[in-house]
Amino acid sequence: QVQLVESGGGVVQPGRSLRLSCAASGFIFTDYTIHWVRQAPRKGLEWVAVISYDGSNKYYADSVKGRFTISRDNSKNTLFLQMNSLSTEDTAVYYCARESPYYFDFWGQGTLVTVSS
Amino acid sequence: DIVMTQSPDSLAVSLGERATINCKSSQSVLYSSNNKNYLAWYQQKAGQPPKLLIYWASTRESGVPDRFSGSGSGTDFTLTISSLQAEDVAVYYCQQYYDTLPYTFGQGTKLEIK
Repeated sequence: QVQLVESGGGVVQPGRSLRLSCAASGFIFTDYTIHWVRQAPRKGLEWVAVISYDGSNKYYADSVKGRFTISRDNSKNTLFLQMNSLSTEDTAVYYCARESPYYFDFWGQGTLVTVSS
Repeated sequence: DIVMTQSPDSLAVSLGERATINCKSSQSVLYSSNNKNYLAWYQQKAGQPPKLLIYWASTRESGVPDRFSGSGSGTDFTLTISSLQAEDVAVYYCQQYYDTLPYTFGQGTKLEIK
């Protein structure tokens, strides 16, 4: 069955970095564009970034542009999100989500990132 | 950016009754060349990730009960649950994918049992 499993979340101080991973299984990873979407505590959903099936195209929300980098390793069926210069406003559950097409047909369980001093 | 506005913010409905959630986009999400509305609905239960319910505004995802239906076109959309069940308690989000940079979601509607 389709699985997306995020990892790498935790507590980090403002200004520091963190790298999230999303391990995919149960489908042909290289066929799909994948997104990161986040949800601040008790808040709604915010799209963060997207990467095309082959990694050639990447786009970001304005709120993270220049600080976050999305990437993928298709040989390992894994998506990444490198997050630099973190601020308290980045505190959220981060989900990876599969695009099929345009809408998001499957989401991982999420990983919590807490930015706090 | 396309702004998605849902109403109401919260809703309490009795079991077996109809629940209606509205979603309005700041510009049309109807693509004239294929006559498709680029709008999806998601359900998020407490402690769980979002789950796709409806796409193209009215197409039910596989496995979604037929008490869930989507309607509307252009800028105004509705998610209807025809007969509310206890397991439908959740927050519901609409999302547009017409203008994908950025993808945008509504603020969510919390559905509870009256």
